[in-house]
Amino acid sequence: QQQVKQSPQSLIVQKGGISIINCAYENTAFDYFPWYQQFPGKGPALLIAIRPDVSEKKEGRFTISFNKSAKQFSLHIMDSQPGDSATYFCAASMVGGSEKLVFGKGTKLTVNP
Amino acid sequence: EAGVTQSPTHLIKTRGQQATLRCSPISGHTSVYWYQQALGLGLQFLLWYDEGEERNRGNFPPRFSGRQFPNYSSELNVNALELEDSALYLCASSIAPSWTGSSYEQYFGPGTRLTVT
Repeated sequence: QQQVKQSPQSLIVQKGGISIINCAYENTAFDYFPWYQQFPGKGPALLIAIRPDVSEKKEGRFTISFNKSAKQFSLHIMDSQPGDSATYFCAASMVGGSEKLVFGKGTKLTVNP
Repeated sequence: EAGVTQSPTHLIKTRGQQATLRCSPISGHTSVYWYQQALGLGLQFLLWYDEGEERNRGNFPPRFSGRQFPNYSSELNVNALELEDSALYLCASSIAPSWTGSSYEQYFGPGTRLTVT
C-alpha cells in the first residue's frame, strides 16, 4: 500500500523529443506528488510537484499529469535536451501526516544529441 | 541562499564500527529528514526530526539513530555497521511540518557516501 511504482526503468529519447515517465500508487491517502531530478554524484533536486485538486501542472518544459481515479501520475518533458539526461524519481506523501516521501525506483533518462 | 549541506562527502568504515553523518538544513527550515539511497533499493525514508524531536521513523533497525540540535542541524548515527549499510545517505529539509500550513517541499543535500568494508 505504501509503494509507488515507476516505469520505465530506463528511457532513451532523441533531442527535441518528448520524454514520458509514469508512476502509479495504491494508497489513496497520498495527496502530494513531487518529481525529483538527480544527476550522478548529486542529491535529488525538486523539479515540480502536484496536489490531487488539479489534473495538470506545467512549469516550463516539464508537465505533470495526474489521474486521481486511476491513481496514476506522469511527468512529460517536452523538447528534451541532452542536459536533461539524469535519473528521475516520482514520490508521494501525505500532507499533514507522516511527512515521509515514498519514492519510485527511478527512471534513467538519456537524451541523445 | 545556501542549500542543505552535508558532511563528510565520503566516509569509509569497517564492519562493526560506528558512523556519524551531519546535516545543516536550509536557513529557516526546522524539519530535517534522512533517507538512504542504496543500490537497487532506491530512496528509503529513515528519520524525520522537527524542533529537536524525532517525529517519524522508517523501517530500519534501532542501530540507526539521530538527533536534531537547537540550531536545527542534525546528526545521523549508524552503530555496528554492516556491509549492506553502504549507501548514499541523503538529508533533506523543509520549512516546517505540513500541518502548520507552511510549504512542505523537501529539499535535498548532496549526500554522504558511506562505504563499509
